[in-house]
Amino acid sequence: GQNIDQPTEMTATEGAIVQINCTYQTSGFNGLFWYQQHAGEAPTFLSYNVLDGLEEKGRFSSFLSRSKGYSYLLLKELQMKDSASYLCAVMDSNYQLIWGAGTKLIIKP
Amino acid sequence: DTAVSQTPKYLVTQMGNDKSIKCEQNLGHDTMYWYKQDSKKFLKIMFSYNNKELIINETVPNRFSPKSPDKAHLNLHINSLELGDSAVYFCASSQGILDGANVLTFGAGSRLTVL
Repeated sequence: GQNIDQPTEMTATEGAIVQINCTYQTSGFNGLFWYQQHAGEAPTFLSYNVLDGLEEKGRFSSFLSRSKGYSYLLLKELQMKDSASYLCAVMDSNYQLIWGAGTKLIIKP
Repeated sequence: DTAVSQTPKYLVTQMGNDKSIKCEQNLGHDTMYWYKQDSKKFLKIMFSYNNKELIINETVPNRFSPKSPDKAHLNLHINSLELGDSAVYFCASSQGILDGANVLTFGAGSRLTVL
């Protein structure tokens, strides 16, 4: 079966760096997405990786290793507003998105 | 100017009733989706339409019927509501379904509570 694994919850301190991991086992691979979802709101797109390596976008970076079935989202200079759930999703060989359950990130002052 | 708008935002109803949720996008996207997010926060695809044609129809009870009158609209009708239908339903759209075109823009969600 297809599977996406992410930690359920993480806690970090304001101003620090946090890495949220995502491992996947899917039938084929056509890209990996990260979305941010604040409580009670809709998910919003953060990043898309289809090739191995690091993609940087301001304070957020996303890394992909296709051979290891692994990605991480790196958040730097954490702010209180970064408290949210972070969803990892993989597009399989049929171009269908397989979603992880999300990682709830709690930022403490 | 909302990109993906869905109504109503909240819906509280009794078991056995029929209800509809409407969705409209003004992004010019070709593909629209309905997702269900349950209390455990898993996002599950229900349906997807590309240019008004159904392309994804996951294992969803046939009490759920989508309708796409044009590529900017995708409505969801639910018959004979059950307690287990309580969830947040998200409408979303994307430029297409391949690769990076599959970036989703979500509506604000419709929270359905079945009593």
